[in-house]
Amino acid sequence: NAGVTQTPKFRVLKTGQSMTLLCAQDMNHEYMYWYRQDPGMGLRLIHYSVGEGTTAKGEVPDGYNVSRLKKQNFLLGLESAAPSQTSVYFCASSYNEAGELFFGEGSRLTVL
Amino acid sequence: QKEVEQDPGPLSVPEGAIVSLNCTYSNSAFQYFMWYRQYSRKGPELLMYTYSSGNKEDGRFTAQVDKSSKYISLFIRDSQPSDSATYLCAGNDYKLSFGAGTTVTVRA
Repeated sequence: NAGVTQTPKFRVLKTGQSMTLLCAQDMNHEYMYWYRQDPGMGLRLIHYSVGEGTTAKGEVPDGYNVSRLKKQNFLLGLESAAPSQTSVYFCASSYNEAGELFFGEGSRLTVL
Repeated sequence: QKEVEQDPGPLSVPEGAIVSLNCTYSNSAFQYFMWYRQYSRKGPELLMYTYSSGNKEDGRFTAQVDKSSKYISLFIRDSQPSDSATYLCAGNDYKLSFGAGTTVTVRA
């Protein structure tokens, strides 16, 4: 039972490059989330989705875009990476807005 | 100002000690409260879930919520080295807001 799978697990980018992080869940959850985790800041919500075809901004959305074309997938895109986007990114999913969040193992991104 | 404030520690205790972790929150709309545990280089996992003021116990873990003072606590009794992790508190109105996390080390 895979749960929530994130790819890639590690990536190094140069400033200005673009990339996409992929999140896949096999629990048929409606809600999916992208968080970033930085030392001393905890988990901060970037974008989230309440169902296929929907997306919404979280606490720190600037510089990121997302898409939810299929219920099981939630993509996070960086169009022009900046050093401030160096972080560990976590995807999570839940059955509803009050339910337990199931997290992936994280994607470590370094922007030089 | 973050909606959930948590002392990041770190906290180091000897095996068998009681670990006490605390958070405060500012959002009166929070209806549910959770504690997540995160081992190094892993994703967080749900540890405790409460939705009302009072205590909830699960084995060696007790979660406490005081809505009148906007205070959340987690107690770990008879702590073990396997409890060494980062503990994140969170409050939920329609999405979760997390504290910064407290890193706990239990020394054998």
